[in-house]
This record gives sequence, structure tokens and C-alpha cells, in this order.
Amino acid sequence: SQQGEEDPQALSIQEGENATMNCSYKTSINNLQWYRQNSGRGLVHLILIRSNEREKHSGRLRVTLDTSKKSSSLLITASRAADTASYFCATDVDSSYKLIFGSGTRLLVRP
Amino acid sequence: EPEVTQTPSHQVTQMGQEVILRCVPISNHLYFYWYRQILGQKVEFLVSFYNNEISEKSEIFDDQFSVERPDGSNFTLKIRSTKLEDSAMYFCASSGPVGEKLFFGSGTQLSVL
Repeated sequence: SQQGEEDPQALSIQEGENATMNCSYKTSINNLQWYRQNSGRGLVHLILIRSNEREKHSGRLRVTLDTSKKSSSLLITASRAADTASYFCATDVDSSYKLIFGSGTRLLVRP
Repeated sequence: EPEVTQTPSHQVTQMGQEVILRCVPISNHLYFYWYRQILGQKVEFLVSFYNNEISEKSEIFDDQFSVERPDGSNFTLKIRSTKLEDSAMYFCASSGPVGEKLFFGSGTQLSVL
């Protein structure tokens, strides 16, 4: 598998429910970031978690990182229709000048 | 919040033609990037640029591609002789320190006919 794979590929939930997306990666990292992309638009940074952190919160977002399993999860609580977008994890690999993006999860929040 | 701006938003070109995609990164940022996204697929790294030289490039970034920061504010991506498979959305991004959050432009949709 490639560095940065999200699952599920697509997720459809009802407004008010929680959405959980997972990301797995292969190599050691400095940090892991989550981005959001509305259809056909640029990516917007949501949250960054460093390799020595296990959990981070920002508003309705909660990110966890398990470096032993090389995985991260993004939880969006109390989802809204406006949360409908694609969500990507991105890893900052040691000694690298790039972020590597995963394949993304397409989230649909039904009103 | 400061923004990365990209022009044009859409570019249509004939196969074999040269195109230049333009970007104005955030003014105090030091690291600059180009990514591309073929419709419905993942965001692929092309190149990173720091201190007026390429820091890292991917296998996609072959001899047909070049980047330049001609005047201290603009950051350009040139594709010398476009191919059909170069059709994609091209995103410019910039960051302050390396590895920190990237600020993305809204992209240039390149269509090669």
C-alpha cells in the first residue's frame, strides 16, 4: 500500500452524527496533517499532530495518532451538511521537503 | 488570513504547447510547492523549492517541467511540451517552516487537447 491511505473511501452520514476517518502510513514521520477539500477547490489545512503527540482537538475535530500502528484517525463530531467534502491525511516524512497526501475520504453529510 | 493566489484558474492548450502556471505565495513564506490532482484521484507531489533552488522533486517532475521564482514574489511552473496526460488541477502551496502547514491556492485547471 502507499504512504497515506485513508479508509473508508466514502462515508455517508446523517447530519448530527459523528464521522470517523482513518489514515495509515508506512514510514516514520515528523507530523501528520489533515486537510479538507471542497469539490474542485484548493485544500484547507485542518489540524497538525506531531509524532510525539497522541491526541489533539480543534473545535469539533479530534485527531489521534498511534505511531506504533502507523495510523491516525479524524473524528468530526455533530456533523453538519457544510462538512460535506473530501478529507485527506498528509505525512511529513523525516528528512523530506514534501507532504505526501493519502487517497482521501469523501464525506457526505445528509441534511 | 493571507492567501496563495494562482492564475489562470483555467488553461486550455494544445498538445505539444508550452504552458506557464503562475502563483503568488504568501509573502513571508520560505518554502514553495507544486502539487497536481487528476480528476477524482489523489493529490500528487511534484516539486518543492527553497532558497531559489529545487529541494525535492517527484518522478512526475521530469525534464518537461521547470520551476522558477523570477522576481521574489511569483513562483511559476512551466511545462515545456504538454501531453494529454498532463491534464489535471495544479495546486501551488507555500509554508513558513518546512513540514508545517501548507497554504494552498485554489488551483489551475489545465486541459490539454
